[in-house]
Amino acid sequence: EIVMTQSPATLSVSPGERATLSCRASQSISINVAWYQQKPGQAPRLLIFGASTRATDIPARFSGSGSGREFTLSISSLQSEDSATYYCQQYSDWPPRHTFGQGTKLEIK
Amino acid sequence: QVQVVESGGGVVQPGRSLRLSCTASGFTFSNYGIHWVRQAPGKGLEWVGIIWYDGTETYYADSVKGRFTMSRDNSKDTVNLQMNSLSDADTAVYYCARGTYSTSPLMDVWGQGTTVIVSS
Repeated sequence: EIVMTQSPATLSVSPGERATLSCRASQSISINVAWYQQKPGQAPRLLIFGASTRATDIPARFSGSGSGREFTLSISSLQSEDSATYYCQQYSDWPPRHTFGQGTKLEIK
Repeated sequence: QVQVVESGGGVVQPGRSLRLSCTASGFTFSNYGIHWVRQAPGKGLEWVGIIWYDGTETYYADSVKGRFTMSRDNSKDTVNLQMNSLSDADTAVYYCARGTYSTSPLMDVWGQGTTVIVSS
C-alpha cells in the first residue's frame, strides 16, 4: 500500500501571506495526486488533481506542484475562508487503493 | 442540482451488519463511478472503495475487503454499501462521492455523510 505523509500537521499563517503544505509518497506515483479541502462540519472539496491542475471553480490562489514522491500545495494571499484541513490523495496504484494523507490543518492567525 | 445523498446510518452492535445507500440526482448516474470515503471521529479521511459506472468492477481498501460490498442499481440512481462483521474501528461518518467520470479516482461531488456508530 502506498503511504502518503503530510507535513506539517498544523500550520498557522497570517492573512495575506502564503502557505506551503507538503505531501510525500512512500514510492513514486508520477503526478497521480489530488488535494482536497475540508472545512469543519463539511464534506471535502476537490482542489487539485494531476498534481497541478485546478479543479473547476478553484481560485488561482491555489496551486500544486511536484512529481514522483514529493508534492506541494501552495495557497497565496491567504484569506480567513482558507482555514481548513487539507488532504493529499494518491491514485497511482492498481488495483486501486486511493490512500489519503493524514491531513494538514491550516489556521489563519 | 447535482447532488448525492447518503442514508442508512445508525447505531449497530459489534459483529452485526448495516447497509448504507447513496442516492443521486441532477446528473446521468449511469455515467459515473461512485466512491465511499469514511472519517472516524476527529480523524482524517479514509478511502473505502469504488464501484464503476456500470457496476462491473468494485475495489476496496484492505481494511474493509471481504466485509464490505458495494452494488448499484442504475435504474434507481442508487449505490448500496453492505457492511458486515462491523467493529468499533468502523465507527465513522461515511461519505459517498461521485467520480469525475466512469472509472475516475477523483471525487467532485460529495454528500454530507451518514454516521455509523458501532457500539454494544
